[in-house]
Amino acid sequence: QQPVQSPQAVILREGEDAVINCSSSKALYSVHWYRQKHGEAPVFLMILLKGGEQKGHDKISASFNEKKQQSSLYLTASQLSYSGTYFCGTERADYKLSFGAGTTVTVRA
Amino acid sequence: DVKVTQSSRYLVKRTGEKVFLECVQDMDHENMFWYRQDPGLGLRLIYFSYDVKMKEKGDIPEGYSVSREKKERFSLILESASTNQTSMYLCASSIDRVRELFFGEGSRLTVL
Repeated sequence: QQPVQSPQAVILREGEDAVINCSSSKALYSVHWYRQKHGEAPVFLMILLKGGEQKGHDKISASFNEKKQQSSLYLTASQLSYSGTYFCGTERADYKLSFGAGTTVTVRA
Repeated sequence: DVKVTQSSRYLVKRTGEKVFLECVQDMDHENMFWYRQDPGLGLRLIYFSYDVKMKEKGDIPEGYSVSREKKERFSLILESASTNQTSMYLCASSIDRVRELFFGEGSRLTVL
């Protein structure tokens, strides 16, 4: 039931780019992205709705391919503050919002 | 500031005890959720509620029950705690289905 995220972990140097993928075997109503820093609650980044839209939050953007039931999160020109664990949450028509296992991003100076 | 408050940050219980985890939100949100977070497994949905007295099972409801008697309060109940329920429990709320979730700081439960 949980979406599958890849990769599990990524290490970047400041200024580098990364892509995090999220896929589901079920038809999706929306996709959420959250970031959690160590010891803190997950914090909302963005929601994408059906329609293949792309959204952005600072230099973090995401896309949603409804037909493929996939979403991707793009970290562009990464900053130290981007470090944390990123979770995608997929919402199905039955209201359930299920999260993936997370992708740990480490950005080094 | 929006706020989701979980009553206990840390709890230690013994096997077989009944455990209540309380969550209160001050944002008049319709939807409330309980997740458990375990390393390598991410956040897994236990139960959610989209209205007072309404509840729906999530992906891992076994061994848990919930109560929502008032809009602002959503309780998670472990009728008979077991060691495999040792985990971090996160409560969240949202105003409707396509809006962001606001999470509480979590309750770390250890069952001995």
